[in-house]
Amino acid sequence: AQSVTQLGSHVSVSEGALVLLRCNYSSSVPPYLFWYVQYPNQGLQLLLKYTTGATLVKGINGFEAEFKKSETSFHLTKPSAHMSDAAEYFCAVSDSRNTPLVFGKGTRLSVIA
Amino acid sequence: GAVVSQHPSWVICKSGTSVKIECRSLDFQATTMFWYRQFPKQSLMLMATSNEGSKATYEQGVEKDKFLINHASLTLSTLTVTSAHPEDSSFYICSARHPQETQYFGPGTRLLVL
Repeated sequence: AQSVTQLGSHVSVSEGALVLLRCNYSSSVPPYLFWYVQYPNQGLQLLLKYTTGATLVKGINGFEAEFKKSETSFHLTKPSAHMSDAAEYFCAVSDSRNTPLVFGKGTRLSVIA
Repeated sequence: GAVVSQHPSWVICKSGTSVKIECRSLDFQATTMFWYRQFPKQSLMLMATSNEGSKATYEQGVEKDKFLINHASLTLSTLTVTSAHPEDSSFYICSARHPQETQYFGPGTRLLVL
C-alpha cells in the first residue's frame, strides 16, 4: 500500500524567501508523484508531476520538485515566495497510470509581507 | 490545460432529500473519473472510482446505496447523495483522468444539509 507524509501542516515564510514543502512517500513500485495546490473553496490545480525521466521537475508558478529515490522524497520548492502562493498544497502518489491518487494531509503555506 | 467542471458549485438542501452533483470533462474524454470528499482543513478522501459504462468501484466504508455514481458518457459522471443528512455536509470534488494519464480536478461542490 502506498502512503504520503507531508511534514508540517503549516509553513509560514516571508515574501521573497525560499519555500520548501516536504513530502515523503512509501511505495512498493516506482511511484508517480504529484503536487497539487488548492485555493480556498476551490478544486485542486496540478503544479507538477513526476512519472519517469528527469528527477528534477519544473512546474507552474516557479515551483519545482526533485524526486529522490534513496530518500523516498519529493519535496516542493520555490526560490522566492509571493503573496499569491498562500494556499494549501497536497502531495500525492500513485503506483501506476491507472490507480487512484493517494494524498498527503496537506500543508498550508502562509506568506508574510 | 484540461478543464473539468462541476455543477452545482454549492447546494443547500433539507435533510432527507437527494442531491445530484455533475462532473464534466470539457475538452477531453475520460473513461475514468474519481469522486473525493474533503472535510474542513483535511485532505481528500477517495470515495469511488467511476468507469464509463460499468459500475463504480467504492472505497471501503463508503455506502454505495447512499452515494450513487453514474458514468453514462465519456465526459459526464454524476454523484447522487440520497436521503442526505447533516453529516453528509462536505466539499465534494471530482477528478477526470486525461488520456495522457494526469488527473484534472473539478472546482468542487459544497453541500450543506440542514
